Amino acid sequence: DAGVIQSPRHEVTEMGQEVTLRCKPISGHDYLFWYRQTMMRGLELLIYFNNNVPIDDSGMPEDRFSAKMPNASFSTLKIQPSEPRDSAVYFCASTPRPGAPFLSGYTFGSGTRLTVV
Amino acid sequence: QKEVEQDPGPLSVPEGAIVSLNCTYSNSAFQYFMWYRQYSRKGPELLMYTYSSGNKEDGRFTAQVDKSSKYISLFIRDSQPSDSATYLCATYTGTASKLTFGTGTRLQVTL
Repeated sequence: DAGVIQSPRHEVTEMGQEVTLRCKPISGHDYLFWYRQTMMRGLELLIYFNNNVPIDDSGMPEDRFSAKMPNASFSTLKIQPSEPRDSAVYFCASTPRPGAPFLSGYTFGSGTRLTVV
Repeated sequence: QKEVEQDPGPLSVPEGAIVSLNCTYSNSAFQYFMWYRQYSRKGPELLMYTYSSGNKEDGRFTAQVDKSSKYISLFIRDSQPSDSATYLCATYTGTASKLTFGTGTRLQVTL
């Protein structure tokens, strides 16, 4: 199993540009989560999906952020337009059993390090 | 105020030392408590968990929860340089699907 795969690993973009982050969850994991990690705020949940349907997007900071999951094996997080304060590491995670995360844990990808200049 | 508070460190200890990492939380509804370890440039990975109050031991690691004081601890015995990482506590109510993480404590174990 290749684990949760995120791309790109690094992204440097100019303010105002559109940024798209991609995630492939582990096959069979019905839940997918997008997190953002910064030194100041730690790991923050942005949005999560169950069976490709967005369940809770209350963590999405602004309308500039949007996320989709067109099928069970692919999700995107888009920022348009990007701003310097969006610079962070964005993680995707998946789990097969959200009711018992402690049993299997969330499997995180290696993250996308986004820098907006 | 964040629901889960954690001292960011960094914490530097010599090899072989006993390490104590701590978190406090504010939501009484939290029932499950986890510790994740995150190596540099990697995603977090589940280290261990406990349910409600009490202790749980796994090798050199012991997780402890005191619900009366809303305090979570992770102890590492005989610390090794390979333990150098950021440790994040996480909590879960048991009725929702999302975890709430602390900001993480960066640990450095020196030779």
